[in-house]
Amino acid sequence: RKEVEQDPGPFNVPEGATVAFNCTYSNSASQSFFWYRQDCRKEPKLLMSVYSSGNEDGRFTAQLNRASQYISLLIRDSKLSDSATYLCVVRDNTGKLIFGQGTTLQVKP
Amino acid sequence: DAGVIQSPRHEVTEMGQEVTLRCKPISGHNSLFWYRQTMMRGLELLIYFNNNVPIDDSGMPEDRFSAKMPNASFSTLKIQPSEPRDSAVYFCASSLVRQVASYEQYFGPGTRLTVT
Repeated sequence: RKEVEQDPGPFNVPEGATVAFNCTYSNSASQSFFWYRQDCRKEPKLLMSVYSSGNEDGRFTAQLNRASQYISLLIRDSKLSDSATYLCVVRDNTGKLIFGQGTTLQVKP
Repeated sequence: DAGVIQSPRHEVTEMGQEVTLRCKPISGHNSLFWYRQTMMRGLELLIYFNNNVPIDDSGMPEDRFSAKMPNASFSTLKIQPSEPRDSAVYFCASSLVRQVASYEQYFGPGTRLTVT
């Protein structure tokens, strides 16, 4: 079983749609959680951290459920520029970041 | 700030040749990470350094891979001899570790390696 699992997609949605990605992790000792964004043929960049109480950054909302070992990312009012691969990332108890395979989002006009 | 700098951006080499990838982290950062990304396996951590000291190299695939960080502003990842299965994008990332709780890693643009 992979340490961090994501549905690879692709998710094809129209502009303005709301889309949600989910992620599960296997190590219950994981310390911190993040979503990174990676554009085609580019490097990953931090999108947002994920806090236990849930957090929001503009159109993006992240949630964490430690009991179920589940992380989610919600994108509201999606834009063409949101098209990318979204990587679920977990920091384990040794300090290393473990990346999921990524979920690809394609927003259509 | 120039960000993390990697060179070369693209490398095409023949099987058996030595390959050296270079990385300059963001000035002031104290941790450096080497990753490999392929379609099949995604993004995998190969090795990371803290204050120029290798902390965890458990992700290095085999003895053909080696990494060094002689000073705070430079690191190399070497593959000798290279094999076609080493073809991938190799990313270097750096971060400033202030607290254990959370920190951001900044990635370089990557080196796209093709071994024929």
